[in-house]
Amino acid sequence: GENVEQHPSTLSVQEGDSAVIKCTYSDSASNYFPWYKQELGKGPQLIIDIRSNVGEKKDQRIAVTLNKTAKHFSLHITETQPEDSAVYFCAAHTSGGSYIPTFGRGTSLIVHP
Amino acid sequence: ETGVTQSPTHLIKTRGQQVTLRCSSQSGHNTVSWYQQALGQGPQFIFQYYREEENGRGNFPPRFSGLQFPNYSSELNVNALELDDSALYLCASSLALDATNTGELFFGEGSRLTVL
Repeated sequence: GENVEQHPSTLSVQEGDSAVIKCTYSDSASNYFPWYKQELGKGPQLIIDIRSNVGEKKDQRIAVTLNKTAKHFSLHITETQPEDSAVYFCAAHTSGGSYIPTFGRGTSLIVHP
Repeated sequence: ETGVTQSPTHLIKTRGQQVTLRCSSQSGHNTVSWYQQALGQGPQFIFQYYREEENGRGNFPPRFSGLQFPNYSSELNVNALELDDSALYLCASSLALDATNTGELFFGEGSRLTVL
């Protein structure tokens, strides 16, 4: 089955800095890569996603890049703000009917004011 | 549009007991998935239901079972509870993945189960 590795497990930055979280996946058939943000006491919420037919996608301060050859994808957050502090999860989905993503172990992002 | 709601939010059980967790899907969603999230870990897929039928299962023993009802709400049942079952149980609803939608998961806030 799919295996998703996520790094780092903890990331601490100053407000205004950029943050980068990286994930690798094992199944070359995976073609959909969502990122979720989980705030304390809440369920994960989708923040951005990318399909395998594009290399980069941007939505305001967040962007995701995908390298299918190397089987890795990254989340980039620019101009970080304290409200960006949360746990971020990457996921990879192997197509074939059911939407059953495999999640990474998460990155705890701390943005210091 | 009503979001995904789960109940109970917290519960404490002892080893060997049974538990039922409930989930109401987001309006219009026909697929529900259950995940187990241990402390400091990512969500681990338990199973998925589509139109009342199990549509996929992760690496969990048979004592984890589920149901989906005609209104697309769902239950997760766990029998013979073990200490390692202590976790946050997340329910997520979605539309079935097809050419017109990504199958985005909409999560509830979870049910935190503690097994003593």
